[in-house]
Amino acid sequence: RKEVEQDPGPFNVPEGATVAFNCTYSNSASQSFFWYRQDCRKEPKLLMSVYSSGNEDGRFTAQLNRASQYISLLIRDSKLSDSATYLCVVSSYNTDKLIFGTGTRLQVFP
Amino acid sequence: DGGITQSPKYLFRKEGQNVTLSCEQNLNHDAMYWYRQDPGQGLRLIYYSQIVNDFQKGDIAEGYSVSREKKESFPLTVTSAQKNPTAFYLCASSSTGGRLETQYFGPGTRLLVL
Repeated sequence: RKEVEQDPGPFNVPEGATVAFNCTYSNSASQSFFWYRQDCRKEPKLLMSVYSSGNEDGRFTAQLNRASQYISLLIRDSKLSDSATYLCVVSSYNTDKLIFGTGTRLQVFP
Repeated sequence: DGGITQSPKYLFRKEGQNVTLSCEQNLNHDAMYWYRQDPGQGLRLIYYSQIVNDFQKGDIAEGYSVSREKKESFPLTVTSAQKNPTAFYLCASSSTGGRLETQYFGPGTRLLVL
């Protein structure tokens, strides 16, 4: 089983739709969780950290479910500019390394 | 402007040649990292350094070498021993290198083998 697993997509949604991605992680001792956004042929950029209580940043909401070992990202009122690959990132359980998922591709169409 | 710079943007390597990728940061971060990204795969850690003059192997260090002589700089050399070097190489940095730290990425270097 991979340490971090994501549905690669693509998720094709119309503008204004709500879309949600899940990401599962294998080690219950992981402590830090992040969502990064990566545009085609560009570097990943931090979208948001994920806190135990859940957190929201504008149209984006991140949730952590430790019992089921998954994190989620909800995007409301999708914009064309949201089209990108979303990377789930989890801290390694015994080192200071981060483990990156392969990403979920989102395509928002007019 | 604070940030991470990588050069060159594109690099071509001939068979048997060593090439060096540059990574510089002016964020005053202690920790720096090198990743490799291949199509359909997540980022894989090559080397990382949490302090000047010290670095550790990541998950795929074979065929690569690094140095950390200055806090701002963490160059990566792709040696001829790396048999499949074609990839997108990303450098990142974080404040202290702890597992709770956010990592910030440079724009990347695309390496192609001729």
